[in-house]
Order: sequence, then C-alpha cells, then structure tokens
Amino acid sequence: SQKIEQNSEALNIQEGKTATLTCNYTNYSPAYLQWYRQDPGRGPVFLLLIRENEKEKRKERLKVTFDTTLKQSLFHITASQPADSATYLCALPSNQAGTALIFGKGTTLSVSS
Amino acid sequence: NAGVTQTPKFQVLKTGQSMTLQCAQDMNHNSMYWYRQDPGMGLRLIYYSASEGTTDKGEVPNGYNVSRLNKREFSLRLESAAPSQTSVYFCASSERGDNQPQHFGDGTRLSIL
Repeated sequence: SQKIEQNSEALNIQEGKTATLTCNYTNYSPAYLQWYRQDPGRGPVFLLLIRENEKEKRKERLKVTFDTTLKQSLFHITASQPADSATYLCALPSNQAGTALIFGKGTTLSVSS
Repeated sequence: NAGVTQTPKFQVLKTGQSMTLQCAQDMNHNSMYWYRQDPGMGLRLIYYSASEGTTDKGEVPNGYNVSRLNKREFSLRLESAAPSQTSVYFCASSERGDNQPQHFGDGTRLSIL
C-alpha cells in the first residue's frame, strides 16, 4: 500500500527565509498530490493541488513541485512570516478510490521574528 | 458561511458507552469523510461516503459505524467505546470526483476512560 513520509516533524526558520518541506511517497505515482495547513485545535485547510503532469504550481508565496521520478513533492514558502507557523500536511489518493486521501504525518513549521 | 460543522466539540465517555458524532456540511458536496488524528499517526481515514446512499471502509474502520443520513449529514457511531478510540475526530467533505480538495470541520475531541 502507499506510504507517505514527510521529511521531518519540525522545521525552525527565521522570518524572511524560504521554508522547504518535503513529501515522499513509496509506491505508485499518484494522479495528484495536495497540501494542507493545520493550526492547533483546528481542522486542516486546503492550500494547493498539483497534478502528475504539472511540474510546478504557485499561489502567492507558496510553490509546490512534483517529481514523479524521485517520488517526491516539495512545498516552499518564500519570505516566510511568523503567521506561517503551522503544521503542513501532504496528501495523495489512496488505492481504494479517487476521492479518498491518505495523509502524511505533517511537518510543523515555526517561523521566528 | 458555516462549511463543515461537527458536534460535539468535546466529549468524555466511559469504556463501553456508545456515542454518535454528528457532521453536517452546507456546501452541497457529494462526498463526505471521517478521519481520526492521533499523535505520531497523522490523519487516518475511518469511513467515507462517495455519494448519498453509499459508504465504504477506510484504513481503520473497526469499532465504528457510519450513516449517511442525507446529502448534508454523515454521522459516526461508536457502539462500545474503548480507550484506544481516544482521539480527535475530523469530518470532511468534497465535491464529487478525483482531485477535489477536502473541507474539514474543527474536530471532536473524544476521551474514553
């Protein structure tokens, strides 16, 4: 079955720097991959989706890449701010159905001023 | 502007008690999901309903039952609660079809003593 690994549980960076989070999967290449943000005590919030035929997707200060050869997605936050501090989850379709997702355990980003 | 509403927000049960967690969405979404989130385990899918009238097991369905009451509502029932079911439960919904983002509620924090 598909497994997802997010590179580290925690990432600490200084304000203004670029944060890079990694999501690796082990089995089949998914048709798409999604990234979510989760704040303490809240449910995840969808950020970006990237399809297997897309190399890169951008939204404001966020950029996602998808490398099916490396079985990896990178999530970048440029010019990071303390308000970007949160846990970021990657998700991809399970092998059961197209709508069901499996989630990584998340990386908690802390941006200090 | 409610999105996905989960009730209750907090609950404490004794082992062996039963409980139904309620979820309602106002976005006219076809698909709905129940997840549990545990420290170190990430989000795990319990059950999902791709459309009204259908339900399917996810990764961790044992000990749970679900009912898709109508298009808006999807409930999760614990028939005989066990301490291992202590967790944060999230409900989510999405449009029909692959690669749709999921919209989450803010969770029910359930403790079983």
